[in-house]
Amino acid sequence: DTAVSQTPKYLVTQMGNDKSIKCEQNLGHDTMYWYKQDSKKFLKIMFSYNNKELIINETVPNRFSPKSPDKAHLNLHINSLELGDSAVYFCASSQDRDNYGYTFGSGTRLTVV
Amino acid sequence: AQKITQTQPGMFVQEKEAVTLDCTYDTSDPSYGLFWYKQPSSGEMIFLIYQGSYDQQNATEGRYSLNFQKARKSANLVISASQLGDSAMYFCAMREGNTGGFKTIFGAGTRLFVKA
Repeated sequence: DTAVSQTPKYLVTQMGNDKSIKCEQNLGHDTMYWYKQDSKKFLKIMFSYNNKELIINETVPNRFSPKSPDKAHLNLHINSLELGDSAVYFCASSQDRDNYGYTFGSGTRLTVV
Repeated sequence: AQKITQTQPGMFVQEKEAVTLDCTYDTSDPSYGLFWYKQPSSGEMIFLIYQGSYDQQNATEGRYSLNFQKARKSANLVISASQLGDSAMYFCAMREGNTGGFKTIFGAGTRLFVKA
């Protein structure tokens, strides 16, 4: 029974397309996050929601839009995909925003061709 | 400015020996948390250990301990009795408090190779 599940695991798509990545956690955590890991393994926070409220919104292109329908779900929608969007996207959750350790999803490897 | 610095891009250690992975951080927030995560070649991110800025004692979790030196702003990870399965990328991270917007930021990582 996966604690933080992301779908899909792999996503290959053409430039200009719109795609979504879904994330669900069954841990009862209040806070969820999206991170981007680039080809050099650097992890950068993108967004965070606490009980469906957006609390962190880093400088990312506005083609990226998060949505949290409830506190167990956090989805990431990307419009007009570009080559530079190719990366691994990780969803994570924590008990609350004073996180004492994330539980990460397995990651979504996005390849834009 | 870099808030989390991991100066060792790669490290080698002999199996069964101890290894220290370095991490220094920079924050003016009095309340913060420090973390280490492991990323094996399979790609998943695994939480290892947490240290709060007000914790008096160094955190330990099994073979992992965090050497917290607050005045020096360092949070080194010590892995005792290295195993082949410890070969992975290790990330140091810091979560700032209210003044930092509760963000958790990661260092660039250290790749650890355990030799048989």
